[in-house]
Amino acid sequence: DVKVTQSSRYLVKRTGEKVFLECVQDMDHENMFWYRQDPGLGLRLIYFSYDVKMKEKGDIPEGYSVSREKKERFSLILESASTNQTSMYLCASKSGGVETDTQYFGPGTRLTVL
Amino acid sequence: GQNIDQPTEMTATEGAIVQINCTYQTSGFNGLFWYQQHAGEAPTFLSYNVLDGLEEKGRFSSFLSRSKGYSYLLLKELQMKDSASYLCAVLDSNYQLIWGAGTKLIIKP
Repeated sequence: DVKVTQSSRYLVKRTGEKVFLECVQDMDHENMFWYRQDPGLGLRLIYFSYDVKMKEKGDIPEGYSVSREKKERFSLILESASTNQTSMYLCASKSGGVETDTQYFGPGTRLTVL
Repeated sequence: GQNIDQPTEMTATEGAIVQINCTYQTSGFNGLFWYQQHAGEAPTFLSYNVLDGLEEKGRFSSFLSRSKGYSYLLLKELQMKDSASYLCAVLDSNYQLIWGAGTKLIIKP
């Protein structure tokens, strides 16, 4: 079974703090994704990576950055957290072989910025 | 723009059948996914349709009509554990997933 893990299930931070969210997958997947999920909205793609050290902006990259130094690990960084970044953050991974393969999701991190 | 529409919430009775609709307008189409997401948990894959027609998988079936930009997820013999949100997502011409907001399904005894 594919396993995607995220470093924290719940996180509370203060405005202006630097926040690191980490995601690890154990299936040797090439592609990894960071989404945020807010009530009434679909999943919105923040960034994705299709290989080590490669990254691509998604639909809402502003205020975020990412790092992929190792294939299994994809980090999301909030350089200076703001209250409008309070959300559920979901990481996903997918093999690179077939474009139509399903994405596998981690359990999510619920981030609250005070 | 790209758009996925699905009802916000539906209620059904245990043992019954429910159909969750999804309509889409996207730039290109490379398939449609349905995911299930229990409250506080990760979305999990249910089905993938790329050709017109009905795909059956146990109690769950998914239907696609590409000409109408329409899909539905059919859940039979509903169980309490089927209470969850159901997410519709379309793979566009760039193989990017476009997500609907999800349909919260409430099952009553």
